[in-house]
Amino acid sequence: SQQGEEDPQALSIQEGENATMNCSYKTSINNLQWYRQNSGRGLVHLILIRSNEREKHSGRLRVTLDTSKKSSSLLITASRAADTASYFCATFWGSARQLTFGSGTQLTVLP
Amino acid sequence: DTAVSQTPKYLVTQMGNDKSIKCEQNLGHDTMYWYKQDSKKFLKIMFSYNNKELIINETVPNRFSPKSPDKAHLNLHINSLELGDSAVYFCASSHEYLYNSPLHFGNGTRLTVT
Repeated sequence: SQQGEEDPQALSIQEGENATMNCSYKTSINNLQWYRQNSGRGLVHLILIRSNEREKHSGRLRVTLDTSKKSSSLLITASRAADTASYFCATFWGSARQLTFGSGTQLTVLP
Repeated sequence: DTAVSQTPKYLVTQMGNDKSIKCEQNLGHDTMYWYKQDSKKFLKIMFSYNNKELIINETVPNRFSPKSPDKAHLNLHINSLELGDSAVYFCASSHEYLYNSPLHFGNGTRLTVT
C-alpha cells in the first residue's frame, strides 16, 4: 500500500506567500525525501532528512520530521511563480528496500 | 549534458504490440530504476537494478522486463501491450542502493496504448 500521502492535494497561493505541504507515512523509515516535478518533466530531488533529524533547511526550503507522528512538512518561503509544480514526499524503509512516493501536492503560485 | 536520458519521449502504439523504452545515465551511478506514474500522478516503483541484484515489484506483470546491457543503461521491454499500460514511465538512477542517496530522474516517456 502507499507509504506516503501528501496533504493538501492542491494548494494555490499568491507570489510572496509561504506554502506548507504535509506528508504522512505508515511505517518506520530510514529517511524521508522531498521532490519537485514540473509539468512534463521528471522529478527533481529537493532535500533529504534522516530519521534522527528533526529539521533541515535548504535555501527557501524548510523540512521538518516528526517520527512520533510519522509526518513531515515542507515549507517554501517567499514563493515565486517558478515554484509552481507538484511536490512529492518519498520514504525509504529498509525492509522494502525501495523509495516509495506519495501522490503529491500540486502547488500553484499566482503572480 | 543530460544526466538521465530516456527515449522516446512519446510512444503511441496499439494493443498487443511489443515496445521498448531506453534509458541511459552518465552519472556513474550503480543502481537504476523504473517507475510508472499514472494519470493521478501516483508513482509506483517497478524495478530496481544494480550489477548484483534485480528487485521486481511483485505487482508488475511479467509482460514487463528490464534489460541492462551495462550499468549505464536500463531498458524497459513491454510485451503484449494493454490499454492499462498507458502512463508515464520514468527511469531513475542513484549512486548507491538507495540508503541516503537521492534519485536522479529522466524526463519520462509518455506511453499511450490505443
